Amino acid sequence: DTGVSQDPRHKITKRGQNVTFRCDPISEHNRLYWYRQTLGQGPEFLTYFQNEAQLEKSRLLSDRFSAERPKGSFSTLEIQRTEQGDSAMYLCASSRGQGATEAFFGQGTRLTVV
Amino acid sequence: AQSVTQPDIHITVSEGASLELRCNYSYGATPYLFWYVQSPGQGLQLLLKYFSGDTLVQGIKGFEAEFKRSQSSFNLRKPSVHWSDAAEYFCAVGAKTNAGKSTFGDGTTLTVKP
Repeated sequence: DTGVSQDPRHKITKRGQNVTFRCDPISEHNRLYWYRQTLGQGPEFLTYFQNEAQLEKSRLLSDRFSAERPKGSFSTLEIQRTEQGDSAMYLCASSRGQGATEAFFGQGTRLTVV
Repeated sequence: AQSVTQPDIHITVSEGASLELRCNYSYGATPYLFWYVQSPGQGLQLLLKYFSGDTLVQGIKGFEAEFKRSQSSFNLRKPSVHWSDAAEYFCAVGAKTNAGKSTFGDGTTLTVKP
C-alpha cells in the first residue's frame, strides 16, 4: 500500500493553456474523488468515480474541466483554456466501495496559472 | 444542504496547553464526521472519524473529538499541544453511503508558541 499518488506535485502554466493531472489511487480502492482547494478555504468536491463510471459532478466542474478513469485504476483531470481563477490545489482521494468509512488523500497538485 | 462551520480561523496556544477546535455541522441524516490535518503544501491526513457508537472518539497523535447531536457539534481536543501540531485543521461531514464525498469547513490554522 503506497498510498494515493498524484503527479505532478506542482504545475505552473500560462493562461489559456491546457493542463492534465494524474491520480493513482490505492490499488484495491474502487472509488476515486477529485477536490479543489483554494487558498484559505477547505477542499471542495468536484467529482467522483466508482470504477470507470463517473457518478457525480459538482456544479464547480465547468465544461472546461474533464475527468476520466478509463480502466477503473488511475484518473486524469484536465483543465482546458486555464484561467487565473483555476489556480488552486487539486486533491485526489480514494476509498473502498459503498461501505467505506473513510477516504485517503494524496498530497495534491498545486496549479499556478500566470 | 449540508455545511460545516469552523468559527475560529486562527488559534494560537502555548506548547503544553490544552486545545479545543470548534466544528458545527448541518446535515439532514446521520452524519459521518471527520477531522483532518494539513501541513503546508501537503495533502490531508485523517485524525479521527465518527459514524456511530460512542460519541467520544479517539484519534491519532493524541487527539479526541466529541459528537454532540443536540448541538450539531464535533469539537476536536488535545490535552497538551506539541510544537509539531502547528498546522491547518479541517472538519468535514460526509454521507454514510459515500464517506469519500465530504463537505469541508474552511479550516482553523493552529499556531503553537514555544
